[in-house]
Amino acid sequence: GAVVSQHPSRVICKSGTSVKIECRSLDFQATTMFWYRQFPKQSLMLMATSNEGSKATYEQGVEKDKFLINHASLTLSTLTVTSAHPEDSSFYICSATTRQGVGYTFGSGTRLTVV
Amino acid sequence: QKEVEQNSGPLSVPEGAIASLNCTYSDRGSQSFFWYRQYSGKSPELIMFIYSNGDKEDGRFTAQLNKASQYVSLLIRDSQPSDSATYLCAVTESGGTSYGKLTFGQGTILTVHP
Repeated sequence: GAVVSQHPSRVICKSGTSVKIECRSLDFQATTMFWYRQFPKQSLMLMATSNEGSKATYEQGVEKDKFLINHASLTLSTLTVTSAHPEDSSFYICSATTRQGVGYTFGSGTRLTVV
Repeated sequence: QKEVEQNSGPLSVPEGAIASLNCTYSDRGSQSFFWYRQYSGKSPELIMFIYSNGDKEDGRFTAQLNKASQYVSLLIRDSQPSDSATYLCAVTESGGTSYGKLTFGQGTILTVHP
């Protein structure tokens, strides 16, 4: 079945630094990638939607200059959290889909802790 | 604001019983409906999806959709302790493709006790 590989699974960084999270679709072409954030005991909140080769569409309230999304190829999308602060500590999850109807495939998530 | 509502629970059922999880949504034009299971610290995993009114069965799971009432449910038969998790209802936006943005409910915590 469709697999999305997300790395790293856990990352601890210092406040003010940047962190890059990668999501790769291993056996299909991900025309659309969704990035979610989940705080403890809360549901998934969509941050942005990216289509291969075009700029990401951010949800209301999500700072596009802080959360940089690149979807340069059909198999790779990255989320960079710039100038991270403790309040950015969260569980970040990507999800990929295709026009061919593969459905939504979720990555395994990245636990970000900013200290 | 498009909303997906779930009872946050916790819902506690004994092993072997039927667990019933409910979800309502506000966007009448929504086309696709999904149930995900999420264990603590893990990403969601798909249990079932349903597009048409009525019931859809897959093993111990049955999804039920009633678009007129804007209601979707998930029944888990013969519940097992391994079913203990948070169950997320997700709905696609109307007006897009079948694989557009998903809006998630807040999730229902299910505990199956031996």
